[in-house]
Parts: sequence; structure tokens; C-alpha cells
Amino acid sequence: DVKVTQSSRYLVKRTGEKVFLECVQDMDHENMFWYRQDPGLGLRLIYFSYDVKMKEKGDIPEGYSVSREKKERFSLILESASTNQTSMYLCASSPGRGEGTRSYEQYFGPGTRLTVT
Amino acid sequence: TQLLEQSPQFLSIQEGENLTVYCNSSSVFSSLQWYRQEPGEGPVLLVTVVTGGEVKKLKRLTFQFGDARKDSSLHITAAQPGDTGLYLCAGSRITSYDKVIFGPGTSLSVIP
Repeated sequence: DVKVTQSSRYLVKRTGEKVFLECVQDMDHENMFWYRQDPGLGLRLIYFSYDVKMKEKGDIPEGYSVSREKKERFSLILESASTNQTSMYLCASSPGRGEGTRSYEQYFGPGTRLTVT
Repeated sequence: TQLLEQSPQFLSIQEGENLTVYCNSSSVFSSLQWYRQEPGEGPVLLVTVVTGGEVKKLKRLTFQFGDARKDSSLHITAAQPGDTGLYLCAGSRITSYDKVIFGPGTSLSVIP
């Protein structure tokens, strides 16, 4: 089974701090994604990566950056945390092209509940 | 912008009842996935449908992809409290760098 792990389940940070959220997948997937999930707004894509050192902006990239130095690891960075970044952060991976219908199947980590005070 | 709509937004039913939730779009998708998310956890993939008109069954859950590949439904027979959760549909298009578009979800509560 695919396993996606996230570095923390719960995190409390202060406004202005730099925050690192780490995600690791163990299935050699090409694609990795970062979402945030807020009540009433659903899942919103922040950034995704389809290869090592490659990244693409999602729908809400402002205030975030990402790093993918190794295929299995995708990091989300909040350069200067703000209270409006309090949210549930979800990492996901998918096999990538060439896997037929499985290409789009996303496997999620358990999420990190981030509170910025 | 491509949108996926889901209905109803909230659903509360008694154990043993049947229910259907819907996922609709004006866009055609190459495939569509359904996920279930329990509170405080990440979504878990339930099924992928690919062919227009396709029907897939997963125990008491029946998934159908519309003939035009623009919509889908999830039917649960004899709902149980363990079915409680947020049901998300997600559509994918070949040209989208393997991104998917998620619907807002249907929050299901099954009361014992």
C-alpha cells in the first residue's frame, strides 16, 4: 500500500515564523501535491511537483514556497506565517503519466493541523 | 475555470437508510475519482471510473459515471455509522499535468 507521511499532525506557530511542513511518500510516485483545506472552501491546491526540482503553482501559491530535492520528499514552506494560514494542510502523491487510469489517483497523508497565533 | 459541484452539501440519515450523492460538471473528464475523508484525517481513495456509463461496486457502495463523462453518482445501500465522513469527487483531464479538480464534498452523518 502507498504510504504518505507528514512530519507533524499538529503544529502551533507564531506570526512571522518560518514554517516547514515535510511530506514523504514511499511508492516512487512522480507527482506530489500540497493542499490546504478550510471549512466551506474545500481542498485548494497550493503547489504541485511532477518531477524532482520541478514545481508548478496551484490556485493559491501566495505566501508559500516548496522544495523537492528528492523524488520521495516534498516540502512546503511558509516564509512568514500569518494567522490567515491557519488551516489543515494535506500532502498527496500520484503515480504520474504512463500509469493509465491510475495516473490521477491521489494518495493523501494524514494532514497537519497548523495554527498560527 | 472548471468546476465540480456536489449535492447535497450535508446529509444526515438513520442507520439502514439508502442514499445517493451527486457530482456534476459542465466539463468532460477523462476519469473521475471518489474519496472518503474522516474527521481529522486525509482523504482515502475509494474508486476510479473511466468509461461513460461505467458502474462500479464496492460492497454497499455503487458508483456510476455519466454517459457523457460529466457527472457521477455514489449510492450507499443500508448506510452504517462507519460510512460517516466527507465524500469528495475529483475529476481529471489528460492535459492537466495530472492535476485533479476536487468538488466541495458531501458531508454524510449516519445516526445509529
